Amino acid sequence: QKEVEQNSGPLSVPEGAIASLNCTYSDRGSQSFFWYRQYSGKSPELIMFIYSNGDKEDGRFTAQLNKASQYVSLLIRDSQPSDSATYLCAVSMDTGRRALTFGSGTRLQVQP
Amino acid sequence: GAGVSQSPSNKVTEKGKDVELRCDPISGHTALYWYRQSLGQGLEFLIYFQGNSAPDKSGLPSDRFSAERTGGSVSTLTIQRTQQEDSAVYLCASSPGNSNQPQHFGDGTRLSIL
Repeated sequence: QKEVEQNSGPLSVPEGAIASLNCTYSDRGSQSFFWYRQYSGKSPELIMFIYSNGDKEDGRFTAQLNKASQYVSLLIRDSQPSDSATYLCAVSMDTGRRALTFGSGTRLQVQP
Repeated sequence: GAGVSQSPSNKVTEKGKDVELRCDPISGHTALYWYRQSLGQGLEFLIYFQGNSAPDKSGLPSDRFSAERTGGSVSTLTIQRTQQEDSAVYLCASSPGNSNQPQHFGDGTRLSIL
């Protein structure tokens, strides 16, 4: 079992719709959760981070965390073609090694 | 600079040669990380530096890989006797380091071994 799992996609949504990206993780000691966006040929760009159970909103983006279910998600409202990219879920511990463990990413396609 | 700076952006070398990749973190960031992303693969952790502490080298794939960080700032990742499987994008990230703050990535070095 992979430590961080994501559906590889592609997830295709029409412009203006809500895109829902999901991620599960196996280590219950994980404390910090991050979403990165990666355009083809580019490096990952931080989109959201969340540490506590519940929702965290920033503009069109909402991160949701449920530690009991070991589940984290990213919602993108009013999706735009420019949101088309691969979205990487990453988790880390608060103590010891702080390195991120990444999922393999979900490719999102927003259709105009 | 405002962001993480990596050089070179691209490196093509022959199998068996040594290569050095450089990372200059965001000013004031004490934590520095190296990751590798191979074609079609996820990001793989290589090594982590935090201040003056001993680095976490647990992700280095073989003893051909080493890294150092001088003066708590710039880091160099060295790959000796390169192999074709070393071809990948090598990404450096930094964070403030005083808590589990988000990591910010540089543009990476695309390494191609012929």
